[in-house]
Amino acid sequence: DAGVIQSPRHEVTEMGQEVTLRCKPISGHDYLFWYRQTMMRGLELLIYFNNNVPIDDSGMPEDRFSAKMPNASFSTLKIQPSEPRDSAVYFCASSTGTGAYEQYFGPGTRLTVT
Amino acid sequence: SQELEQSPQSLIVQEGKNLTINCTSSKTLYGLYWYKQKYGEGLIFLMMLQKGGEEKSHEKITAKLDEKKQQSSLHITASQPSHAGIYLCGADRTGTASKLTFGTGTRLQVTL
Repeated sequence: DAGVIQSPRHEVTEMGQEVTLRCKPISGHDYLFWYRQTMMRGLELLIYFNNNVPIDDSGMPEDRFSAKMPNASFSTLKIQPSEPRDSAVYFCASSTGTGAYEQYFGPGTRLTVT
Repeated sequence: SQELEQSPQSLIVQEGKNLTINCTSSKTLYGLYWYKQKYGEGLIFLMMLQKGGEEKSHEKITAKLDEKKQQSSLHITASQPSHAGIYLCGADRTGTASKLTFGTGTRLQVTL
C-alpha cells in the first residue's frame, strides 16, 4: 500500500486566498484525521471522520476552516480566506479504528500564507 | 497540550549513549502512544501502551507506562544517528483510541 497520500506537499499563498488540502487515506481504513502542527502549539487535532461522517470538529479553529469527506478514499481541508497565522504543517492520518490501533500519518502539507 | 508534558524538550547525546524521554499526563490515560517524526516527514508509530505497568520493546527502544497510567517513559539503549528526530507521545483519554492528544515533543540529536 502507498500509505496516506497528501497533496500538495508545499503550498504558498497570499492572505485572503482559498486553500484546499487533499488527502487519500489507506484503503480499508474507516477513520480519517486532520491535524495541524506549529512550533507554538505542537500537533493539534482539527477534525476526524468515521465512515465519511465528521465525528468531532471541536478542534477546527474557526469558520474559515471546513473539511469534507465525500467518499472513503478522499478528504479535503479548506481554508477560506487564509491568514498568515494559518501557516503550519497540516497532516492527514487514517486508521482502522477497531480496538487498540495506531494512526498512519501522511507526509504533511507545509502551508505558508504571506 | 498542557495536559501532556514531555521532558526534556530537546536532547543531544553522543552515539552509543542511553537516554530517556518522559511523558506526564495530568489525567489518567486509557492508552499512551509513542511516535517518531523526522524533519519534514509525517509521524511513524513506535509503540502503544494500555495497561498500568506495561512495558514494550522494539529493537533498542523500550517504553513503559506506570501503574497509575499517568506517566510513560521511552528509553533508547546505545543510541545511533538513526534515532535522531522528534519523539511525541499521544494520549488516549476517551477509551476509544479515536482521538489522541499529543505532547509537545522531544527533539533528539545524536552526535558522532
